[in-house]
Amino acid sequence: GENVEQHPSTLSVQEGDSAVIKCTYSDSASNYFPWYKQELGKRPQLIIDIRSNVGEKKDQRIAVTLNKTAKHFSLHITETQPEDSAVYFCAANPGYSSASKIIFGSGTRLSIRP
Amino acid sequence: EPEVTQTPSHQVTQMGQEVILRCVPISNHLYFYWYRQILGQKVEFLVSFYNNEISEKSEIFDDQFSVERPDGSNFTLKIRSTKLEDSAMYFCASSPRVPGYYEQYFGPGTRLTVT
Repeated sequence: GENVEQHPSTLSVQEGDSAVIKCTYSDSASNYFPWYKQELGKRPQLIIDIRSNVGEKKDQRIAVTLNKTAKHFSLHITETQPEDSAVYFCAANPGYSSASKIIFGSGTRLSIRP
Repeated sequence: EPEVTQTPSHQVTQMGQEVILRCVPISNHLYFYWYRQILGQKVEFLVSFYNNEISEKSEIFDDQFSVERPDGSNFTLKIRSTKLEDSAMYFCASSPRVPGYYEQYFGPGTRLTVT
C-alpha cells in the first residue's frame, strides 16, 4: 500500500548549520509532496511543497528536492535558527486525485543547539 | 485569512461513551478530511468526504466512526463507543475543489482523552 518513510527520526544541529531530512515514497503515481512543521500541541503547518513536475523548489532558507526516478525527496534548511526547532513531517498524496488523502512520514524531531 | 476551526479543543470522556468532534471548514472548500495523531506519532488519515458522502476511508475508520455534514458549515466526526486507544489529537482539514490544487488546510485539532 501507500507508504512514506522518513529519516532521521531525530536530528540535532548547531545553530547556523544546515539540516537535511530525507523521505522515500512507495506510490509512483504520487505527484504532490508537502512538508509540515509541527510545534508541540499545534496543528501541522505547511512550510513548502513540491509537485512532481519540478525537481527543486526554494523559499528563503528552506529548499526541497525531488527525485521521481528514485522516489526520494528531501528538505534542506540552511542557516538554522532556534525557532526552527520542531517536528517536521514529509508527506505525499497517492496521486489518483487532487482531493486524495495525504500520507505522512513518521516525523523528524529537529533540535537546534545554541 | 480564513481558517479551519475545531471544537472543543480538549474533550475528556469515559470509555464506552459517544463523542462528537466538530469542525468548521473554510467556507468555499468542498473536500473535507479527518486525521488523527496519537501522542508522539505521525498524522494518520481517517476519512475524506465530498458531496455529502465518504470518498475514502482508512482501516482505522471502522464501524465505530461516522462523519456527517449536518448543515452548510459544520463537519463532524462521531465515535460511537470510545476506547482507550482512541485517545489522540484529531485534526480536521479542508481543501477547495480546484483541479490540480492539492493543499489541505488543517484545523487546530481536538485533543481527545478517553479514561
